[in-house]
Amino acid sequence: DTGVSQNPRHKITKRGQNVTFRCDPISEHNRLYWYRQTLGQGPEFLTYFQNEAQLEKSRLLSDRFSAERPKGSFSTLEIQRTEQGDSAMYLCASSQGADNSPLHFGNGTRLTVT
Amino acid sequence: GNSVTQMEGPVTLSEEAFLTINCTYTATGYPSLFWYVQYPGEGLQLLLKATKADDKGSNKGFEATYRKETTSFHLEKGSVQVSDSAVYFCALSVSSGNTGKLIFGQGTTLQVKP
Repeated sequence: DTGVSQNPRHKITKRGQNVTFRCDPISEHNRLYWYRQTLGQGPEFLTYFQNEAQLEKSRLLSDRFSAERPKGSFSTLEIQRTEQGDSAMYLCASSQGADNSPLHFGNGTRLTVT
Repeated sequence: GNSVTQMEGPVTLSEEAFLTINCTYTATGYPSLFWYVQYPGEGLQLLLKATKADDKGSNKGFEATYRKETTSFHLEKGSVQVSDSAVYFCALSVSSGNTGKLIFGQGTTLQVKP
């Protein structure tokens, strides 16, 4: 169990640029989640995959955001035309999918939009 | 809707003091309740959980009891250590739809001084 891995750890970009983050979940976990966390707040749910299927998307996820999980393994989160309000920590988590299975979180990708 | 409210921090205690961090929730259906902890520079980790009313979750000396009548899940520890300094998040998962999605409170920072 190597844990949930996220890359990059930090990303600084200029407003209007596109960015992509990667998440590698724990290998036997079929559920994958993306959350966003701003300073002083708890994580907010963005989207959820069961294997390769994206089953739920939050209203927080505007049309500039897209997430994929090809082949049900790693996942990417892309933000197009970044805005300063997108600056946050983006967290990925995975779980085995059984009822009440705990979520295992990665260390996150911190995005700063200048 | 579903939501979690935690007491505001930071909470500053001396080593060996008694800790309580209050958490109350609003939920439709029958939620499972969790406490996650985030140590400095690390990802969120599950601390303990309770899946039904009157259950007590416990781990590392921390305890929390699922109180349906008061919709609460307060975190307690009898004697804190400096190494307990971290941010603590209360969260719920609503079983309906079984996505495993967590809804978090805003977090409470605990600082323990020697």
